[in-house]
Amino acid sequence: GENVEQHPSTLSVQEGDSAVIKCTYSDSASNYFPWYKQELGKRPQLIIDIRSNVGEKKDQRIAVTLNKTAKHFSLHITETQPEDSAVYFCAASMMDYKLSFGAGTTVTVRA
Amino acid sequence: GAVVSQHPSRVICKSGTSVKIECRSLDFQATTMFWYRQFPKKSLMLMATSNEGSKATYEQGVEKDKFLINHASLTLSTLTVTSAHPEDSSFYICSGTLYMNTEAFFGQGTRLTVV
Repeated sequence: GENVEQHPSTLSVQEGDSAVIKCTYSDSASNYFPWYKQELGKRPQLIIDIRSNVGEKKDQRIAVTLNKTAKHFSLHITETQPEDSAVYFCAASMMDYKLSFGAGTTVTVRA
Repeated sequence: GAVVSQHPSRVICKSGTSVKIECRSLDFQATTMFWYRQFPKKSLMLMATSNEGSKATYEQGVEKDKFLINHASLTLSTLTVTSAHPEDSSFYICSGTLYMNTEAFFGQGTRLTVV
């Protein structure tokens, strides 16, 4: 099955700085890569996703890049704000809909 | 976006009893729903894939007789934790998708505590 690795496990940044989270996946058949933000005790919320036919996608302060050859994708958050503090999960999916999640990154934005 | 409603949000039960968790897609038909388990500060671990009208597909290591999944309609899937024990205490969360490889919509999650 698909194996998704995510780094770092924790990330502390100063407000206004950028945060970068990286994930790698094992199965080249994976073609859908979403990123989720989860606050304590809440459901995961999709913040951005990318498909394998696209190399980069941006939505305001959030961007995702995908390198299919290297089988890795990254989340970039610019101009971080305290409300960006949460746990972020990357995931990968093949045609069978199943999402394989990374271990998560706890992001803390220091005011 | 589409809404998935999961109930109850919290449940405390005695060891040996069974607990049913419901997951409803409110404004779309989810042909496939997924059930996850999440331990504190850990990732979401897929337990099973639930397809409407057919038997659920369980991930390796998940006891199908303990975690009964029913997907009787396109808008409702249920997870029953049978003969619950303290080690079953966890956060259980469902998700449904509209189409292949599109956004997964998650329920609110259920915090199960077995005492």
